[in-house]
Amino acid sequence: NAGVTQTPKFQVLKTGQSMTLQCAQDMNHEYMSWYRQDPGMGLRLIHYSVGAGITDQGEVPNGYNVSRSTTEDFPLRLLSAAPSQTSVYFCASSADNYNEQFFGPGTRLTVL
Amino acid sequence: ILNVEQSPQSLHVQEGDSTNFTCSFPSSNFYALHWYRWETAKSPEALFVMTLNGDEKKKGRISATLNTKEGYSYLYIKGSQPEDSATYLCAFLGSARQLTFGSGTQLTVLP
Repeated sequence: NAGVTQTPKFQVLKTGQSMTLQCAQDMNHEYMSWYRQDPGMGLRLIHYSVGAGITDQGEVPNGYNVSRSTTEDFPLRLLSAAPSQTSVYFCASSADNYNEQFFGPGTRLTVL
Repeated sequence: ILNVEQSPQSLHVQEGDSTNFTCSFPSSNFYALHWYRWETAKSPEALFVMTLNGDEKKKGRISATLNTKEGYSYLYIKGSQPEDSATYLCAFLGSARQLTFGSGTQLTVLP
C-alpha cells in the first residue's frame, strides 16, 4: 500500500511555463484535494474532488486546473507559472471530507 | 474566507512539561474539527477527528477537547518528549464542506 504519492518532489520553472503535478492514491478514496503551503499561512485549499468526474474550487484556485478521470489520480495543472506560485504543494485523500486526510510527501515548486 | 486561529504561534517547553494550545473556529455551521501533527520534512498526519460538542479524544499522551458552541478546541500534551516537537495544525470543516486549516502551533520540546 503506497498511500498517496506525488511526483515530482522538486521542480523549478520559468515564468510562463506550464506543468502538471501528479497525485495518485491506492486506498480507493473518493475525496481528494490539493493544498499549497506558504510560510505563516498554513495549508490553503486549491481544488478538491468528491469523486471521479467531479471537481470544485477551494480557497485559492486561480492559475490552477484539475481533472479527475479516475478514482486514483488527481493531477494539478499550472497553466502559466508565476513567481507567486512558488510554494510547497500537498495532495491529500480521504474516504470523505469528514474523515482524516492522508497527505502525500509534497512537491516543492520554485518559479523564477 | 473562514477564520481558524491557533495560539500560540510557537511554544518552547522543557522535557517532562505538560502543555496545551488552542484552536478557535466559527461556532456556526460546524461539521468537524481535525487535528494534525506535522513533523519537519514530513507530511501532516491525523491525530483526531472530532464531530460532537463535548467530544474528548485521547491518543497516548495527547488529548483534545471540543466546544462547538463557543468555537474552540484544546490540544493537550502530557509529559512532553523531544519527539513531540512538531507543528500541530487544526482544520475546521463547515457547511461549505471544505477543510480550512489554521496556521499551526510550532512546539519545540527541549531535552
